[in-house]
Amino acid sequence: EVELLESGGGLVQPGGSLRLSCAASGLSFSNSAMSWVRQAPGKGLEWVSGISGDSTYRYYAESVKGRFTISRDNFKNTLYLQMNSLRADDTAIYYCSAYVGGSMGHHWGQGTLVTVSS
Amino acid sequence: QSALTQPPSASGTPGQRVTISCSGSNSNIGSRRVNWFQHLPGTAPKLLIYSDYERPSGVPDRFSGSKSDSSASLAISGLQSEDEADYYCAAWDGSVNAWVFGGGTKLTVL
Repeated sequence: EVELLESGGGLVQPGGSLRLSCAASGLSFSNSAMSWVRQAPGKGLEWVSGISGDSTYRYYAESVKGRFTISRDNFKNTLYLQMNSLRADDTAIYYCSAYVGGSMGHHWGQGTLVTVSS
Repeated sequence: QSALTQPPSASGTPGQRVTISCSGSNSNIGSRRVNWFQHLPGTAPKLLIYSDYERPSGVPDRFSGSKSDSSASLAISGLQSEDEADYYCAAWDGSVNAWVFGGGTKLTVL
């Protein structure tokens, strides 16, 4: 069974930084593209970033480009999201998700809450 | 404003068939495959349909997907109370190199 466990969320001040982690098990992690998806309070799902299995390709939503960096450690089966210059509108539950082939969203974690507030 | 357009709400009575639409453009739905998700806020989203009409194992065949040109649809037949949730379509958009979601449709089972 595939399990994705996010961690690293919390309260951070505007302009601050946070690094999210997603520990994966039950899948061939190095062969799986991964993504981060978020949901702000009262809003819909928003894709944030994605990364190929070998880290060759990394993509970002326009709203986070230049501020967030996605990475992975295939030896540790862990996905990361480094978030810098955080803003109030980055407040959301952040989910990590695993692809199957080129298809996003086949497996999901339970999410970690990020709150950006002074 | 979402790149994919969904109706904000839909409703039906138990046993009915409900359809949720998702409208996009040539750069996303028109040239890429569509996924559909079921989501209860605060819980992990669940993949219902991938590659336009494929169902992951474990998803009941009451859920079906279709696509025509730059629009896609999710149909739920034999509506049940546990189907009450938010539903999202998503597709890769080649013009921005990003996955884009619809704004979501809140399904109410009356």
